[in-house]
Amino acid sequence: EVRLLESGGALVQPGGSLRLSCAASGFTFSNYAMSWVCRAPGKGLEWVSGISGSGGSTYYADSVKGRFTISRDKSKNTLYLQMNSLRVEDTAVYYCAKGAHSGYDYVDYWGQGTLVSVSS
Amino acid sequence: VVTQSPSASASLGASVKLTCTLTSGHSSYGIAWHQQQPEKGPRYLMKLYSDGSHSKGDGIPDRFSGSSSGAERYLTISSLQSEDEADYYCQTWDTGIQVFGGGTKLTVL
Repeated sequence: EVRLLESGGALVQPGGSLRLSCAASGFTFSNYAMSWVCRAPGKGLEWVSGISGSGGSTYYADSVKGRFTISRDKSKNTLYLQMNSLRVEDTAVYYCAKGAHSGYDYVDYWGQGTLVSVSS
Repeated sequence: VVTQSPSASASLGASVKLTCTLTSGHSSYGIAWHQQQPEKGPRYLMKLYSDGSHSKGDGIPDRFSGSSSGAERYLTISSLQSEDEADYYCQTWDTGIQVFGGGTKLTVL
């Protein structure tokens, strides 16, 4: 059974940093691309970032480019999102999602999410 | 890249067809449908190809089906149940990017 468990969400001040983690199990982690997707209050799902199965390719939405960094550790079966220079508008529930393939296309499993609140 | 109507409604036991429209230049793309019930994480429903064929996620009931016509991708839910009240999102992708539609909020009357 595929399981994705996010952690690391918190209340942080504007300009602060957070690192989100996503512990994956139930599949061969290094064989699949992974994504971070968020949902802000009152809004819909928004793609944030993605990484190929090998980790050799990373992708970012324009809104987070230069501030967020996605990475993966295959020895720990864990996906990360380092979030720097956080803004009020980054406030959202962040979901980890498993890609359907090693290359980057759609997602086929989701976690339950972790809440990031950016406020002074 | 993808647009969805913001809301839809249908009665308990009836059927509803949700639409995802791909913009010009992407009309042959496949999409994925996802469901998000209130206070829960999203759930993958199916991938839908431009020819209308689809592959469903684990445990997705037969009540959920997909079809395509031109640039439009459809999700049909039959025999509506109360737990089908949720937000439904279509997702497409291109090189190095994923895109979600704005979502359709389905109300089961």
